[in-house]
Amino acid sequence: DGGITQSPKYLFRKEGQNVTLSCEQNLNHDAMYWYRQDPGQGLRLIYYSQIVNDFQKGDIAEGYSVSREKKESFPLTVTSAQKNPTAFYLCASSETTGLVRETQYFGPGTRLLVL
Amino acid sequence: GENVEQHPSTLSVQEGDSAVIKCTYSDSASNYFPWYKQELGKGPQLIIDIRSNVGEKKDQRIAVTLNKTAKHFSLHITETQPEDSAVYFCAASRTNFGNEKLTFGTGTRLTIIP
Repeated sequence: DGGITQSPKYLFRKEGQNVTLSCEQNLNHDAMYWYRQDPGQGLRLIYYSQIVNDFQKGDIAEGYSVSREKKESFPLTVTSAQKNPTAFYLCASSETTGLVRETQYFGPGTRLLVL
Repeated sequence: GENVEQHPSTLSVQEGDSAVIKCTYSDSASNYFPWYKQELGKGPQLIIDIRSNVGEKKDQRIAVTLNKTAKHFSLHITETQPEDSAVYFCAASRTNFGNEKLTFGTGTRLTIIP
């Protein structure tokens, strides 16, 4: 089965704790993305990576960090500096053909709740 | 940056009727417009997309139209069925400038009334 997997499905964070959300894809896509979704709102871009060992901040990067050591993996860490982390987090990936980024495909999401 | 507005925020239609969701965008350089369907607790799924070199695209009961002059695009679902009930998001981006981002609308909750 080809696709994007995210784990865990639900994650609970205590005050002052860093937590890491996993995203793995076996689609051989170059680009990967992290979005945050709040109730009644659209998706907002946190970070994205176009190639291994490179990533850029999106619109709401404060309080988050990422790494891209492998093409198939793009973990997101929600740090204690993120004061309102409760949200649904979505990972996506896309193929790159030359300079053209193709369609983004999404994983099933991780719901993060603060205890 | 790009701004995408989506209307309506909620839409209820009788089963078998048509549904139309509209989006406007601000960046005239945007050239790629996907539509996603999101069911409760799941990630968005691409249902159709259109590029700026065409004005309309159809896939069975789903169609998307694009008016570049007016900077708006619409999703049309005909012969609606209960399984069409979901939240639909439009998005816009430039895909050929090497540093694009998808900008999403705020979503439309579509309810099909049996």
